[in-house]
Amino acid sequence: KQEVTQIPAALSVPEGENLVLNCSFTDSAIYNLQWFRQDPGKGLTSLLLIQSSQREQTSGRLNASLDKSSGRSTLYIAASQPGDSATYLCAVEIPNSGYALNFGKGTSLLVTP
Amino acid sequence: NAGVTQTPKFRVLKTGQSMTLLCAQDMNHEYMYWYRQDPGMGLRLIHYSVGEGTTAKGEVPDGYNVSRLKKQNFLLGLESAAPSQTSVYFCASSPASSTDTQYFGPGTRLTVL
Repeated sequence: KQEVTQIPAALSVPEGENLVLNCSFTDSAIYNLQWFRQDPGKGLTSLLLIQSSQREQTSGRLNASLDKSSGRSTLYIAASQPGDSATYLCAVEIPNSGYALNFGKGTSLLVTP
Repeated sequence: NAGVTQTPKFRVLKTGQSMTLLCAQDMNHEYMYWYRQDPGMGLRLIHYSVGEGTTAKGEVPDGYNVSRLKKQNFLLGLESAAPSQTSVYFCASSPASSTDTQYFGPGTRLTVL
């Protein structure tokens, strides 16, 4: 079974810092990898989807990279803001399961003013 | 569009009681999913559906049943609730495409006493 690990489990940074969240997976034969954001008591919101043939995706201040050979993905957040405070979840597609996802446990990010 | 909605938002059950969680989506998505989220465990797939009238088991299906009688609805049933089913349940939907993300509902917080 594919294992998805996110490090660190929690992170606190001052506003304005650039930061990197890490995701690793055990089986390099993945299809797609996604990053989600979850605010307390809320559902998940998709941030970026990287297809297996892609190396990175960018959306605004967010950049996600994918290195299948090393089993790693990173989410880079530039110029962090207090509004970025949330839990960030990495997920890989489960094979032959209707594109269902296998999630990591997440990184809880706090950006302090 | 309302997106993905879940009913109810909160529920407290006694051990042995039954209930049904309703998920509805108005995006005409083919695929729908039920996940549960537990502290320290991340999200885990319970059941999924790749179309009206079809369902399949995910990682943790025991104790749950599902039905997809209409394309827009995906029901999750607990026949005899157990304390181990205390969790936050999330429904999600997606188009039948590997390049599209999943859209999540706001969740149902279930407590089984």
